[in-house]
Amino acid sequence: GGIITQTPKFLIGQEGQKLTLKCQQNFNHDTMYWYRQDSGKGLRLIYYSITENDLQKGDLSEGYDASREKKSSFSLTVTSAQKNEMAVFLCASSLDWGGADTLYFGAGTRLSVL
Amino acid sequence: AQSVTQPDARVTVSEGASLQLRCKYSYSGTPYLFWYVQYPRQGLQLLLKYYSGDPVVQGVNGFEAEFIKSNSSFHLRKASVHWSDSAVYFCAVSATGNYKYVFGAGTRLKVIA
Repeated sequence: GGIITQTPKFLIGQEGQKLTLKCQQNFNHDTMYWYRQDSGKGLRLIYYSITENDLQKGDLSEGYDASREKKSSFSLTVTSAQKNEMAVFLCASSLDWGGADTLYFGAGTRLSVL
Repeated sequence: AQSVTQPDARVTVSEGASLQLRCKYSYSGTPYLFWYVQYPRQGLQLLLKYYSGDPVVQGVNGFEAEFIKSNSSFHLRKASVHWSDSAVYFCAVSATGNYKYVFGAGTRLKVIA
């Protein structure tokens, strides 16, 4: 089996700061995703990537950048942290690009902005 | 547009009782349907998924779900819950060629003694 590792587990930032979250997977999956999880709102897609160097915007991409320089890694940058923002960012991967495959998730990065 | 509704934000059941968590979806084509579970401080894990065929699908740990096309529903069931089933459960929908899985808001299940 494989694993998805997200770093850091906890991230505390200042308003206006640029913050970077990292994700590594050893499943050898082609497709990777970044989701934002807010309490009571489910998961919302920020970015996804179907292969190395590919980037596709999700429904919540404004205020974020992403990078997929290697097949195994996918980074997300919060371009300007918003005051009092609190959310969990989940990275996921899947083997199949067709939308039918299982998503495998990391444990998340918990963001708090002071 | 695709959407998923989980009408119950919180459900409390007694250990050993039966369970049904509700999920209704909106999608014009043929959906792929999923149930995921999230334990505290962890990512989501797949419980079961439906693509086609038998509308009742079996998952891990005794969970099952039934796809009812006429009702656009995919409710999750378990005959007898255990305290370890306490978690947040998410229903999700996707489709062929669509990377954008859509998740419901989740149902937080609490199992009491």
